[in-house]
Formats: sequence, C-alpha cells, structure tokens
Amino acid sequence: GDSVTQMEGPVTLSEEAFLTINCTYTATGYPSLFWYVQYPGEGLQLLLKATKADDKGSNKGFEATYRKETTSFHLEKGSVQVSDSAVYFCALIGVDTSYGKLTFGQGTILTVHP
Amino acid sequence: DTEVTQTPKHLVMGMTNKKSLKCEQHMGHRAMYWYKQKAKKPPELMFVYSYEKLSINESVPSRFSPECPNSSLLNLHLHALQPEDSALYLCASSLDSQNTEAFFGQGTRLTVV
Repeated sequence: GDSVTQMEGPVTLSEEAFLTINCTYTATGYPSLFWYVQYPGEGLQLLLKATKADDKGSNKGFEATYRKETTSFHLEKGSVQVSDSAVYFCALIGVDTSYGKLTFGQGTILTVHP
Repeated sequence: DTEVTQTPKHLVMGMTNKKSLKCEQHMGHRAMYWYKQKAKKPPELMFVYSYEKLSINESVPSRFSPECPNSSLLNLHLHALQPEDSALYLCASSLDSQNTEAFFGQGTRLTVV
C-alpha cells in the first residue's frame, strides 16, 4: 500500500536559518503530493501541492519539488521565522486510492527560536 | 469563501451523553470527510461522503454515526463514547473525491469524561 516517511523531529532552528524537512513516499504511478501545516491548537492548512513529476509547489516562502526518480517531496524554506513553528505533515493521494483518501507521514515538529 | 467551519470548537461529554459535531462548507465541494487526530499523531480517516452518499467507513465503531443532510453540511453524531475517544475531530472537504486537495476545518477538541 501507499506510505509516506518523514524525517523524525523535533527540528529546532534559530530565526533566519534554512529549513529542510525530508519526505519520501511509496506509491504506484504518479500520486498527488501535499504539505500540510498545523499550528498549535488549530486544524490542518494546505501549504503547497504538486501533482506531476518535476512540479514545484510554493507558498509563503516554502517550496517542494516532486522528484519521481527519488520518490521525494522535501520541504524547504530559505529563512524561517518564529511564526513558522508548527507541525508539518507530508501527504499523498495515490492513483489507486478511492475517494481522495490522504496518506499522511508521521509529522515533523518545527520550533523556531528568536 | 475558502473555509470549512466546525462547531463546537471544544466539547466535554460524559459517557452516557449524546452530542453532535457539525461541519459546514460553501465552496461547492462534493466530497466531505471526518478525521480523528490524537496528540502528536497524523489524522486518521473515519468517513468519506461523496455527493452526499457515504462512500467510505474505515471500520469506525457504531457509537460514531455520520450524516450528510445536504452538500454543504456534515454531522457526526456521538453516543456512548469512551474516554479513549477523546481527540481532535477534523472535518475536511474537497472539490471531488479524485486526487484533489482537501481543505480542513479548525477541528472540535472532544473530551470524554
């Protein structure tokens, strides 16, 4: 079945540091890939998405590129802020998945210090 | 309007109570979902409605009963819950149920006492 593996956290950075959160997946064909962010006490927000190989999703300074050859969708940001502290989930919808079922990674807790 | 609205935000209920969680969206989405999220874990799918019909039930206990009165509303009726059912319950919607991104509500924080 489909699966998503994220780098284990927590990740702690200083403000303005470079961020990478690794995400790799196992799925047949070309799944749709997503990053969701969950701020403390809130629901999930869609951060960015990519639906085909070599697509780059971007939003709020975050970027991720769909790499079919390495089955990866790593999240990056050049300069993090304290307000980026949250839990980040990598997720996919597989081509054989019925009814838009999201498969999530375990989540990565990011803490950014001033 | 790109919001999924859930009410209430917090709910405390006893094990003999009956309560309902509500979810509403006005984006014209035809697929709606209930997820359960325990602390420090990813969301787990419970139910999927597609065009107001129940399409997926992920082997959820019958003490959870979903309802989709119309294309904009989704309810989750709760009865005789257990303390281990305490969690964040998230509603989501998507344009349809084929490979399109889901938009989540803020969730209902449920505590069963």
